[in-house]
Amino acid sequence: DTAVSQTPKYLVTQMGNDKSIKCEQNLGHDTMYWYKQDSKKFLKIMFSYNNKELIINETVPNRFSPKSPDKAHLNLHINSLELGDSAVYFCASSHLTGNYGYTFGSGTRLTVV
Amino acid sequence: SQQGEEDPQALSIQEGENATMNCSYKTSINNLQWYRQNSGRGLVHLILIRSNEREKHSGRLRVTLDTSKKSSSLLITASRAADTASYFCATGRPGFGNEKLTFGTGTRLTIIP
Repeated sequence: DTAVSQTPKYLVTQMGNDKSIKCEQNLGHDTMYWYKQDSKKFLKIMFSYNNKELIINETVPNRFSPKSPDKAHLNLHINSLELGDSAVYFCASSHLTGNYGYTFGSGTRLTVV
Repeated sequence: SQQGEEDPQALSIQEGENATMNCSYKTSINNLQWYRQNSGRGLVHLILIRSNEREKHSGRLRVTLDTSKKSSSLLITASRAADTASYFCATGRPGFGNEKLTFGTGTRLTIIP
C-alpha cells in the first residue's frame, strides 16, 4: 500500500532522448510536487500542482513538462535530455493548506549518458 | 538563494549518545520541518514546528525553534544504528500554503555501533 509511488526507479538514457516519470498518490492529498536532488543532495522544487492546476513553476527549462490528469497523478516528461539533467527526481504530495508535512516517493534516479 | 543551511554537514557519534543538528534560515517562515533520508531512499517527514511554537517532542526527537535567530535544532536522544541517515530541515513561507518547501543542505549523521 505505497502512499506515493513513482516509476521507474532507475532510468538510464542517452542525450537527446525524451523520457517520462510517473507518480501516483493514494493519500487523498490535493497537492503534488516534483523535486530534483542533485549529486550534492541539494533538493530543489521544480513544480507544484494543486487539484490538477499548476501553482509553482520554479524556473525550470521548458524541456520539462509536468502533467496532472487528476489530483492523484503527476507525471513528468522531459524532452531532449541533457547530461546536466542527471539527478534523482522525487515526487511528493501533501494538503495545500494547514501545517502538514510532505509524503515523498522513493525517487527516480535519472542518468543521462 | 538557498533558504536553510544545516550545521554540521556531517556528524559521527557512538550509539547511545545524543545527536544535535542545527538549521539556520534567512526569511520569515510559516513552519519548519525536519526530514530524514536514508541512503538511496525518499525523504521521510519527522516533525513539524509552527512559527509560534518554541519546542516540540516526538518520541526520541526534540525540536526547538528560535524565530528571532532564525534557527532550529533537532536533538535525537539515545541514538541507534538505524538513525544513520541524512537529516534535512525545510521551511514553508508565511501567507502561503504548502505549495513550496525550501530545503536546507542536510546533515549526514553516522551512528557507530
